[in-house]
Amino acid sequence: ILNVEQSPQSLHVQEGDSTNFTCSFPSSNFYALHWYRWETAKSPEALFVMTLNGDEKKKGRISATLNTKEGYSYLYIKGSQPEDSATYLCAFPGGATNKLIFGTGTLLAVQP
Amino acid sequence: DTAVSQTPKYLVTQMGNDKSIKCEQNLGHDTMYWYKQDSKKFLKIMFSYNNKELIINETVPNRFSPKSPDKAHLNLHINSLELGDSAVYFCASSPAGEAYEQYFGPGTRLTVT
Repeated sequence: ILNVEQSPQSLHVQEGDSTNFTCSFPSSNFYALHWYRWETAKSPEALFVMTLNGDEKKKGRISATLNTKEGYSYLYIKGSQPEDSATYLCAFPGGATNKLIFGTGTLLAVQP
Repeated sequence: DTAVSQTPKYLVTQMGNDKSIKCEQNLGHDTMYWYKQDSKKFLKIMFSYNNKELIINETVPNRFSPKSPDKAHLNLHINSLELGDSAVYFCASSPAGEAYEQYFGPGTRLTVT
């Protein structure tokens, strides 16, 4: 069974704090690693798709790194704002059909 | 312009009924998906179509039948609805291939009473 694990499950930070979460995935047969941001009562929105070992992507205050050999990716948020409050999902194409297998997410709450 | 749209947004129906959820994308993508968000808020793939051809069919009761009349549309028909079918169903689309991000619709909240 292919598993995508995320930690921590939830995180409460103060406005202005920087934070990071982890996504662990199987390191064999790697194709890509996706990060999505999912606000309550909305739909998931893509942040990054990473394909190369050592890749680092950035979008504003959010960045992500990728280590395909050891099977993990970190998502960093610099200077968290209340509008960053959301569930952050990572997903890994796996199985015979390379369906996207989603982790259970990290729920971030940023207190003003 | 809405990239991926779903109708209806909310659907309340009784057990045993048959219902459909429609999905349309105007992004020109080749691949469309149906996901179910379960009670633990976990997203799980149900079906995927590439250019109107079924490519992913997960372990889903055969009461669920997807239909893709063209590559811009992927509808989900559910027969003999059961209480356990209550969930939020998301449609998504992407270009073909694992390295492309998926674009999600707003979701359809189905409640079976």
